[in-house]
This record gives sequence, structure tokens and C-alpha cells, in this order.
Amino acid sequence: EVQLVDSGGGLVKPGESLRLSCAASGFPFISYTMNWVRRAPGKGLEWVSSIDSSSTYIYYADSVKGRFIISRDNAKNSLYLQMNSLRAEDTAVYYCARAYSSSCFDYWGQGTLVTVSS
Amino acid sequence: QSVLTQPPSVSAAPGQKVTISCSGSNSNIGNNYVSWYQQLPETAPKLLIYDNNKRPSGIPDRFSGSKSGTSATLGITGLQTGDEADYYCGTWDSSLSAGRVFGGGTKLTVL
Repeated sequence: EVQLVDSGGGLVKPGESLRLSCAASGFPFISYTMNWVRRAPGKGLEWVSSIDSSSTYIYYADSVKGRFIISRDNAKNSLYLQMNSLRAEDTAVYYCARAYSSSCFDYWGQGTLVTVSS
Repeated sequence: QSVLTQPPSVSAAPGQKVTISCSGSNSNIGNNYVSWYQQLPETAPKLLIYDNNKRPSGIPDRFSGSKSGTSATLGITGLQTGDEADYYCGTWDSSLSAGRVFGGGTKLTVL
């Protein structure tokens, strides 16, 4: 059974950093592109970042470019999102999601809440 | 503001049918596959439809997807109260630097 377990969320102040993790199991993690998607309170889904299986191709939404860093450890079946210079507008539930194709996500983690507030 | 336009809300009675539209352009829906997601309250999104009209294993055939030109539609028949959720379309947009895009989402209320 495919499982994605998100963790690492919490309450931080503007300008601070946070690192999210996603532990994957039940499928060959090394074979899949992985993504982070978020949903802010009262808003819709927003794709945040993606990383291919070999960490060669990495992409970011314009809203987080230069502040967030996606990475993965295939030996540990884990995906990460280092979030720096956090802003109030980054407040959201963050989900890791496996890519079925370039723009389709077939499995999702349960999400982890990030709150940025002074 | 997403490049994919969905109605903010739709509603219908139990047992009825509802459709949710997703309107785009040639840079997205017109030339790419569309997927649909269901997000029940306080849960993670779930893939309902991929490649315009295919259902993953375990998704009942009450859910269907179609695409015509630059628009896509999600159909749900035999509505149940458990279908109350937010629904999102998604696709690739070649005019965006990173391509991946979701619609703004539609809240389905089963009256």
C-alpha cells in the first residue's frame, strides 16, 4: 500500500525557517517525481515544488522561488522542503504528493500545518 | 487567480446529477490532459479522474470526466451526502515557468 506521511509543520514567526519531511513507503520511491502542494486557509490548492527521481530537475512556484528548497534522500525514501524567510502568506497545510505524470498527482500525504505568525 | 476557472460552488439534491466545469485555454486544457481531485473536509486531496476521463482503481463509476476543446467537466451521478467536498481540476500550462496548475476549486453542497 502506498503511504506518504508528512511531518515537520508548526508555528513560526515571519522570517524564520522550517523543514518539512515526507516519509514514503509501499512503492519504489526512487522511480517517481515528487511534489509539494499547499492549501492556505480559505484558498484552493497551490502547487509549490517538484523534484525528479534523480534530483536533476527541480522546479518551484514563483511565490516560493529563492526561499524554499526541495530535496530528497532516495536511500531513506524521504522528501524534504526547507522553507526559509517564511511569510504570513506561507501559512497553509502542506502536502507531499507523488506524480503520476508531469501534472497529475496520484497519492497524497495527510498534510502538515505551517502557521507563520508573530 | 488561477488560469483554470471553476465555479465557486454548485449544489444538488441527493440522488441527482451535478457537473463541475473547468475552463482554460490552448496553453493548458486545450493541449494537455486534465485531472480532477476531491478534497473532503479536513482530509488530503484524492485523485478522482486522470488523463481527462480515466478513473483510478477504487473510484466508483458515478464519477466521470470529459474534455472538449479548452474546457473540462467532472460529472457526479447518484449524489450522496458523502460527496460534499471541494473539487479541483488540474493540468499542465505551457505558459507558466513550472507548468503545474490547479483550478480555483468548487465547493459541492448536497442539499
